[in-house]
Amino acid sequence: QVQLVQSGAEVKKPGSSVKVSCKASGGTFSSYTISWVRQAPGQGLEWMGRIIPILGIANYAQKFQGRVTITADKSTSTAYMELSSLRSEDTAVYYCARGIGGSYRFDYWGQGTLVTVSS
Amino acid sequence: DIQMTQSPSSLSASVGDRVTITCQASQDISNYLNWYQQKPGKAPKLLIYDASNLETGVPSRFSGSGSGTDFTFTISSLQPEDIATYYCQQYDNLPPALTFGGGTKVEIK
Repeated sequence: QVQLVQSGAEVKKPGSSVKVSCKASGGTFSSYTISWVRQAPGQGLEWMGRIIPILGIANYAQKFQGRVTITADKSTSTAYMELSSLRSEDTAVYYCARGIGGSYRFDYWGQGTLVTVSS
Repeated sequence: DIQMTQSPSSLSASVGDRVTITCQASQDISNYLNWYQQKPGKAPKLLIYDASNLETGVPSRFSGSGSGTDFTFTISSLQPEDIATYYCQQYDNLPPALTFGGGTKVEIK
């Protein structure tokens, strides 16, 4: 049984950066990929990108290219998502999720981390 | 990028009703289509993967069908605990990109 536990809520100033962590337990961390999905208040789900820990390769959604960095530490089974140049529109709940299979389904999710961007 | 058009955006139905949600892809995605349920304040939950496969532990009243560009998600007999927002999701490998539908909020009439 895989479990993903995320770091706590953050309040950030516009223009700053935020780094959210996602610690995995169960399964073999290096054998699967971790994606980050965000959800603004009252809005839908938005994929930001993913990391393939065994390869150390990250892919990003075009919208976030240049502003998001996704990394993984295999020694601690932890994935990280850092978003820079924060603006009020980045206020959202950020989820990590394990993606598997040809359709890249998300079978396990973290509990979510609320990031609030406010001056 | 592949666009996903999900409809309706909301619906109201009675307990026991059959509920149907559709998702249309802007291009052929074979069967690379998944469905999720999200309740307020909770992470999404996988219900259907690869268009028609029921995730382990998910009640059999949930089902999915379709391939290519047109997909359907069905709740055969709506239950009070099914009140939630449902999302479709597709994945494109080249280059890696992933899109969710806009969501369908299901309420009890």
